Amino acid sequence: KQEVTQIPAALSVPEGENLVLNCSFTDSAIYNLQWFRQDPGKGLTSLLLIQSSQREQTSGRLNASLDKSSGRSTLYIAASQPGDSATYLCAATGANSKLTFGKGITLSVRP
Amino acid sequence: GAVVSQHPSRVICKSGTSVKIECRSLDFQATTMFWYRQFPKQSLMLMATSNEGSKATYEQGVEKDKFLINHASLTLSTLTVTSAHPEDSSFYICSAGDRYTEAFFGQGTRLTVV
Repeated sequence: KQEVTQIPAALSVPEGENLVLNCSFTDSAIYNLQWFRQDPGKGLTSLLLIQSSQREQTSGRLNASLDKSSGRSTLYIAASQPGDSATYLCAATGANSKLTFGKGITLSVRP
Repeated sequence: GAVVSQHPSRVICKSGTSVKIECRSLDFQATTMFWYRQFPKQSLMLMATSNEGSKATYEQGVEKDKFLINHASLTLSTLTVTSAHPEDSSFYICSAGDRYTEAFFGQGTRLTVV
């Protein structure tokens, strides 16, 4: 059974910092790994999708990497802004198209 | 990107009544949709997989008679919480997509049972 872990549960940084959010998974037989953003009381917004054959994806200030062999993915946020404050979730997709989520990292970017 | 619309976004109901939540794919056909439940400060837990034209597949521990899922068309799946009780209060989210594409999520429904 796939297990996805995100540590730490919360992170507070000053504006402008570059930061890395970590995600680990136990079963490397994944089809893809996705990073999502969730604002309080809202649904999920897809940030980046990395297919199992890919090593990284970039979108604007975000860069996500995937190392299947070690069961790790990272989300890099460059030059963080207060508007980046949210909960970031990673999810691994299995062969049955089911997503297994981590508990998320709640990020607070201080002005 | 593809859009998944979920309605209502917020509902308050009395204990013992039933509540229906709709999940629509607006610009693509979704043969499979997923329903999740999220408790405060917890991750999303998959409840069931909704398959167009066939019965839903429920995860272990999810009562299929309490959480009725209907996927009658390629663009609509519904989740009905029957005889709701306060412990059913939660945030419910649907998604569409398969293992080859990104998953698109609805806006979520905050259910409060009083």
